[in-house]
Amino acid sequence: AQSVTQLDSQVPVFEEAPVELRCNYSSSVSVYLFWYVQYPNQGLQLLLKYLSGSTLVKGINGFEAEFNKSQTSFHLRKPSVHISDTAEYFCAVSEDNAGKSTFGDGTTLTVKP
Amino acid sequence: KAGVTQTPRYLIKTRGQQVTLSCSPISGHRSVSWYQQTPGQGLQFLFEYFSETQRNKGNFPGRFSGRQFSNSRSEMNVSTLELGDSALYLCASSLDAGTSGYEQYFGPGTRLTVT
Repeated sequence: AQSVTQLDSQVPVFEEAPVELRCNYSSSVSVYLFWYVQYPNQGLQLLLKYLSGSTLVKGINGFEAEFNKSQTSFHLRKPSVHISDTAEYFCAVSEDNAGKSTFGDGTTLTVKP
Repeated sequence: KAGVTQTPRYLIKTRGQQVTLSCSPISGHRSVSWYQQTPGQGLQFLFEYFSETQRNKGNFPGRFSGRQFSNSRSEMNVSTLELGDSALYLCASSLDAGTSGYEQYFGPGTRLTVT
């Protein structure tokens, strides 16, 4: 069975500082990995995905993530955050198809002025 | 392309009643999944429908059911509502896994409150 652990439930950071949101996963087979963002009272929006190939994945809004198979991690990074990045971020894993994903508990990113 | 739409956006029901939620996927998407989101349990997978057939199912009681129509629109039904069913219900659509579209596109959700 697959599982996802987001290591930080809340991450406060000042504007223009770098940020890393950590995600570890567990699976016995090859996986597809995703990061989603959720703004208040909205659905989830895909930030980036890893399906195969290059382990460094670039997404929207300046975010990127690195897939590390040996450490079973998929950490999300941004070199300089903005106030508008304040939201909840979810890491997700899917073993076979996109229709059934397992999500982490989410990390609340709060960007302070 | 229009995104995933869900109706209604907000719903208030009483314990013991039943409810039906609707989801229209992105045009061309044949997979529709449903998730329940609560502060305590996070995002939990309910079920996935593909070409009118349930392809995956989560660990929810039989009170939760769904279906998909030939135009890929999907409905989920919850019977005999309980207070614990209060949640944001999210629908997501995706392309067939055989293509490059492995990501899911989410609707805004239906906020269900059971009193």
